Amino acid sequence: GESVGLHLPTLSVQEGDNSIINCAYSNSASDYFIWYKQESGKGPQFIIDIRSNMDKRQGQRVTVLLNKTVKHLSLQIAATQPGDSAVYFCAEKAGTALIFGKGTTLSVSS
Amino acid sequence: KAGVTQTPRYLIKTRGQQVTLSCSPISGHRSVSWYQQTPGQGLQFLFEYFSETQRNKGNFPGRFSGRQFSNSRSEMNVSTLELGDSALYLCASSGDVNEKLFFGSGTQLSVL
Repeated sequence: GESVGLHLPTLSVQEGDNSIINCAYSNSASDYFIWYKQESGKGPQFIIDIRSNMDKRQGQRVTVLLNKTVKHLSLQIAATQPGDSAVYFCAEKAGTALIFGKGTTLSVSS
Repeated sequence: KAGVTQTPRYLIKTRGQQVTLSCSPISGHRSVSWYQQTPGQGLQFLFEYFSETQRNKGNFPGRFSGRQFSNSRSEMNVSTLELGDSALYLCASSGDVNEKLFFGSGTQLSVL
Protein backbone atom coordinates (compact mmCIF):
# COMPACT_ATOMS: atom_id res chain seq x y z
CA GLY A 1 0.00 0.00 0.00
CA GLU A 2 1.01 3.62 -0.21
CA SER A 3 2.81 5.13 2.73
CA VAL A 4 4.38 8.29 4.01
CA GLY A 5 8.11 8.23 4.59
CA LEU A 6 10.78 10.48 6.04
CA HIS A 7 14.12 11.23 4.49
CA LEU A 8 16.34 11.03 7.56
CA PRO A 9 15.95 8.91 10.68
CA THR A 10 18.01 11.31 12.82
CA LEU A 11 18.85 15.02 12.87
CA SER A 12 21.25 16.70 15.27
CA VAL A 13 21.32 20.48 15.67
CA GLN A 14 22.69 23.09 18.03
CA GLU A 15 20.40 25.11 20.27
CA GLY A 16 19.30 28.25 18.46
CA ASP A 17 19.69 26.77 14.98
CA ASN A 18 16.78 26.31 12.62
CA SER A 19 15.75 22.69 12.01
CA ILE A 20 14.22 21.28 8.86
CA ILE A 21 12.60 17.85 8.90
CA ASN A 22 11.54 16.39 5.59
CA CYS A 23 8.90 13.93 4.53
CA ALA A 24 7.94 12.41 1.20
CA TYR A 25 4.48 11.04 0.56
CA SER A 26 3.32 8.83 -2.26
CA ASN A 27 -0.46 9.23 -2.40
CA SER A 28 -1.14 12.16 -4.71
CA ALA A 29 -4.80 12.07 -3.67
CA SER A 30 -3.99 12.90 -0.02
CA ASP A 31 -5.45 16.27 0.92
CA TYR A 32 -4.59 16.67 4.59
CA PHE A 33 -1.24 16.38 6.35
CA ILE A 34 -0.22 16.62 9.98
CA TRP A 35 3.04 16.84 11.88
CA TYR A 36 3.30 15.25 15.31
CA LYS A 37 5.96 15.34 18.00
CA GLN A 38 6.45 12.38 20.29
CA GLU A 39 8.50 12.53 23.46
CA SER A 40 9.64 9.46 25.31
CA GLY A 41 6.80 7.80 27.21
CA LYS A 42 4.13 10.00 25.68
CA GLY A 43 1.68 9.83 22.83
CA PRO A 44 2.13 11.90 19.66
CA GLN A 45 1.44 15.59 20.21
CA PHE A 46 -0.13 17.66 17.43
CA ILE A 47 2.19 20.37 16.07
CA ILE A 48 0.67 21.74 12.91
CA ASP A 49 -1.45 20.66 9.97
CA ILE A 50 -1.93 21.73 6.38
CA ARG A 51 -4.50 21.03 3.71
CA SER A 52 -3.63 20.43 0.08
CA ASN A 53 -5.08 23.76 -1.05
CA MET A 54 -2.24 25.50 0.81
CA ASP A 55 1.53 25.60 0.23
CA LYS A 56 2.59 26.99 3.57
CA ARG A 57 1.27 27.35 7.06
CA GLN A 58 2.90 28.96 10.06
CA GLY A 59 2.51 28.38 13.75
CA GLN A 60 4.48 29.41 16.77
CA ARG A 61 8.14 28.81 15.78
CA VAL A 62 7.04 26.17 13.27
CA THR A 63 6.28 26.30 9.57
CA VAL A 64 5.01 23.51 7.37
CA LEU A 65 5.66 23.59 3.63
CA LEU A 66 3.80 21.43 1.15
CA ASN A 67 5.05 20.82 -2.38
CA LYS A 68 2.39 18.82 -4.18
CA THR A 69 4.38 18.69 -7.42
CA VAL A 70 7.06 16.49 -5.88
CA LYS A 71 4.87 15.17 -3.04
CA HIS A 72 7.09 16.61 -0.34
CA LEU A 73 6.31 17.95 3.10
CA SER A 74 8.67 19.71 5.47
CA LEU A 75 8.58 21.01 9.02
CA GLN A 76 10.75 23.97 9.91
CA ILE A 77 11.45 24.75 13.55
CA ALA A 78 12.92 28.17 14.24
CA ALA A 79 15.43 28.77 17.05
CA THR A 80 15.44 25.12 18.08
CA GLN A 81 15.47 24.53 21.82
CA PRO A 82 16.49 21.49 23.92
CA GLY A 83 12.79 20.93 24.64
CA ASP A 84 12.27 20.30 20.93
CA SER A 85 14.23 17.06 21.20
CA ALA A 86 11.79 14.31 20.26
CA VAL A 87 10.69 12.06 17.42
CA TYR A 88 8.79 13.88 14.69
CA PHE A 89 6.26 12.16 12.47
CA CYS A 90 4.48 13.34 9.40
CA ALA A 91 1.15 11.77 8.60
CA GLU A 92 -1.32 11.90 5.75
CA LYS A 93 -5.04 11.45 6.11
CA ALA A 94 -6.50 8.57 4.12
CA GLY A 95 -10.22 8.57 4.77
CA THR A 96 -10.58 8.40 8.52
CA ALA A 97 -7.12 6.87 9.06
CA LEU A 98 -3.75 8.52 9.46
CA ILE A 99 -0.82 6.95 7.63
CA PHE A 100 2.39 7.75 9.48
CA GLY A 101 5.95 7.95 8.31
CA LYS A 102 8.72 6.24 10.24
CA GLY A 103 9.79 9.31 12.18
CA THR A 104 12.85 11.54 12.52
CA THR A 105 14.61 11.79 15.86
CA LEU A 106 15.65 15.39 16.51
CA SER A 107 18.47 15.89 19.01
CA VAL A 108 19.23 19.40 20.20
CA SER A 109 22.48 20.07 21.97
CA SER A 110 23.15 23.19 24.01
CA LYS B 1 -10.49 20.46 28.79
CA ALA B 2 -9.14 17.06 29.74
CA GLY B 3 -7.15 15.23 27.10
CA VAL B 4 -7.52 11.69 25.83
CA THR B 5 -7.27 9.25 28.73
CA GLN B 6 -6.12 5.67 28.31
CA THR B 7 -6.14 2.96 30.93
CA PRO B 8 -4.25 1.03 32.05
CA ARG B 9 -0.89 2.67 31.42
CA TYR B 10 1.04 -0.60 31.54
CA LEU B 11 -0.06 -4.19 31.14
CA ILE B 12 1.76 -7.50 31.24
CA LYS B 13 0.08 -10.61 29.84
CA THR B 14 1.11 -14.07 28.75
CA ARG B 15 0.62 -15.70 25.38
CA GLY B 16 -2.89 -16.97 24.78
CA GLN B 17 -4.55 -14.54 27.15
CA GLN B 18 -6.84 -11.75 26.10
CA VAL B 19 -6.72 -8.07 27.02
CA THR B 20 -9.07 -5.08 27.01
CA LEU B 21 -7.80 -1.52 26.75
CA SER B 22 -9.89 1.54 27.49
CA CYS B 23 -9.98 5.03 26.03
CA SER B 24 -11.91 8.13 27.03
CA PRO B 25 -11.86 10.78 24.30
CA ILE B 26 -11.79 14.53 24.71
CA SER B 27 -15.20 15.79 25.74
CA GLY B 28 -17.32 16.44 22.67
CA HIS B 29 -15.23 14.30 20.34
CA ARG B 30 -17.20 11.54 18.66
CA SER B 31 -14.45 9.89 16.61
CA VAL B 32 -12.04 7.51 18.31
CA SER B 33 -9.16 5.78 16.54
CA TRP B 34 -6.70 3.16 17.70
CA TYR B 35 -3.10 2.75 16.60
CA GLN B 36 -0.38 0.25 17.35
CA GLN B 37 3.18 1.50 17.72
CA THR B 38 6.20 -0.79 17.58
CA PRO B 39 9.87 0.00 16.94
CA GLY B 40 9.87 -2.09 13.77
CA GLN B 41 6.56 -1.15 12.17
CA GLY B 42 6.06 2.34 13.53
CA LEU B 43 2.53 3.66 13.98
CA GLN B 44 -0.13 1.54 12.31
CA PHE B 45 -3.85 2.18 12.10
CA LEU B 46 -6.10 -0.39 13.77
CA PHE B 47 -9.64 0.99 13.49
CA GLU B 48 -11.80 4.06 13.84
CA TYR B 49 -15.22 4.49 15.45
CA PHE B 50 -17.73 7.27 15.13
CA SER B 51 -21.05 7.33 16.97
CA GLU B 52 -20.68 3.68 17.98
CA THR B 53 -20.04 2.52 14.39
CA GLN B 54 -16.76 1.23 13.01
CA ARG B 55 -16.05 3.37 9.95
CA ASN B 56 -12.61 2.16 9.02
CA LYS B 57 -10.37 -0.78 9.78
CA GLY B 58 -6.68 -1.36 9.25
CA ASN B 59 -4.91 -4.51 8.16
CA PHE B 60 -4.90 -6.44 11.42
CA PRO B 61 -6.19 -9.96 12.14
CA GLY B 62 -9.62 -10.56 13.59
CA ARG B 63 -8.08 -11.07 17.05
CA PHE B 64 -8.08 -7.29 17.27
CA SER B 65 -11.50 -5.82 17.84
CA GLY B 66 -13.02 -2.73 19.31
CA ARG B 67 -16.21 -0.99 20.21
CA GLN B 68 -17.50 2.42 21.10
CA PHE B 69 -20.13 3.28 23.65
CA SER B 70 -22.86 5.90 23.51
CA ASN B 71 -20.72 8.29 25.58
CA SER B 72 -17.95 7.95 22.93
CA ARG B 73 -15.67 5.99 25.24
CA SER B 74 -13.99 3.14 23.42
CA GLU B 75 -12.43 -0.18 24.20
CA MET B 76 -10.22 -2.43 22.15
CA ASN B 77 -9.75 -6.11 22.75
CA VAL B 78 -6.99 -8.44 21.67
CA SER B 79 -7.67 -12.15 22.03
CA THR B 80 -5.23 -15.06 21.99
CA LEU B 81 -2.26 -12.81 22.58
CA GLU B 82 0.97 -13.43 20.71
CA LEU B 83 4.47 -12.22 21.53
CA GLY B 84 4.32 -9.92 18.51
CA ASP B 85 1.37 -8.07 20.01
CA SER B 86 3.74 -6.38 22.46
CA ALA B 87 3.44 -2.72 21.59
CA LEU B 88 2.28 0.71 22.64
CA TYR B 89 -1.42 1.00 21.86
CA LEU B 90 -2.52 4.56 21.24
CA CYS B 91 -5.99 6.01 21.19
CA ALA B 92 -6.79 9.27 19.44
CA SER B 93 -9.95 11.34 19.27
CA SER B 94 -11.25 14.04 16.97
CA GLY B 95 -14.43 15.94 16.37
CA ASP B 96 -14.89 14.37 12.95
CA VAL B 97 -13.09 13.00 9.93
CA ASN B 98 -11.58 16.25 8.72
CA GLU B 99 -10.30 17.39 12.07
CA LYS B 100 -6.96 16.82 13.71
CA LEU B 101 -6.42 13.83 15.97
CA PHE B 102 -5.39 14.19 19.59
CA PHE B 103 -3.59 11.23 21.13
CA GLY B 104 -3.53 9.77 24.61
CA SER B 105 -0.32 8.58 26.29
CA GLY B 106 -1.01 4.99 25.33
CA THR B 107 -1.11 1.60 26.99
CA GLN B 108 2.18 -0.29 26.93
CA LEU B 109 1.35 -3.96 26.48
CA SER B 110 3.99 -6.60 27.08
CA VAL B 111 3.22 -10.19 26.14
CA LEU B 112 5.47 -12.80 27.77
